[in-house]
Amino acid sequence: GAVVSQHPSWVICKSGTSVKIECRSLDFQATTMFWYRQFPKQSLMLMATSNEGSKATYEQGVEKDKFLINHASLTLSTLTVTSAHPEDSSFYICSARSPGQGVETQYFGPGTRLLVL
Amino acid sequence: SQQGEEDPQALSIQEGENATMNCSYKTSINNLQWYRQNSGRGLVHLILIRSNEREKHSGRLRVTLDTSKKSSSLLITASRAADTASYFCATDNTGGFKTIFGAGTRLFVKA
Repeated sequence: GAVVSQHPSWVICKSGTSVKIECRSLDFQATTMFWYRQFPKQSLMLMATSNEGSKATYEQGVEKDKFLINHASLTLSTLTVTSAHPEDSSFYICSARSPGQGVETQYFGPGTRLLVL
Repeated sequence: SQQGEEDPQALSIQEGENATMNCSYKTSINNLQWYRQNSGRGLVHLILIRSNEREKHSGRLRVTLDTSKKSSSLLITASRAADTASYFCATDNTGGFKTIFGAGTRLFVKA
């Protein structure tokens, strides 16, 4: 089946630094990718929709200048957490869709755990 | 944004018993999916049910969908300790392209 990878799987950084998380579709082209955030013991909250070659669409309450999304190719989307603070510590999960496989076909990455000290 | 609620929020049962989790949502949907997530890990897709379907089975899983009540249920029969995880429903809304997750149910199966 289709595979989506994320890198890194976990990262620890100091407060004020920026962290980049990569999401790759390994065996299909993903015109649309999604970024979710999950706090401990909570559900996944959609942060933004990333479209190849265009600007990301952010959900209400998500700061676009803080969470920079770049979907530069059909297999790669990146999420950069700028000037990270401890409250940004969370589990970040991406997912990818391929329209050729139907709207309902979505594949999730394994997630990236971010800890900001 | 979250689509809806799941109940119960937490469920503790003995191995061999059945576990039922419910999910409610707010808008019209194209389909509804159920996922499992082990602690601190990624999501595992369990089953997808389309809006024109009422029931679906996969192994020990049985999913129902009632679009008139905007609700779905996931039944796990003959539960095992390995079923201990969080279970989430997620919906693809009509006219949209996003998947929105419910709050989740934490299931604990005691051996």
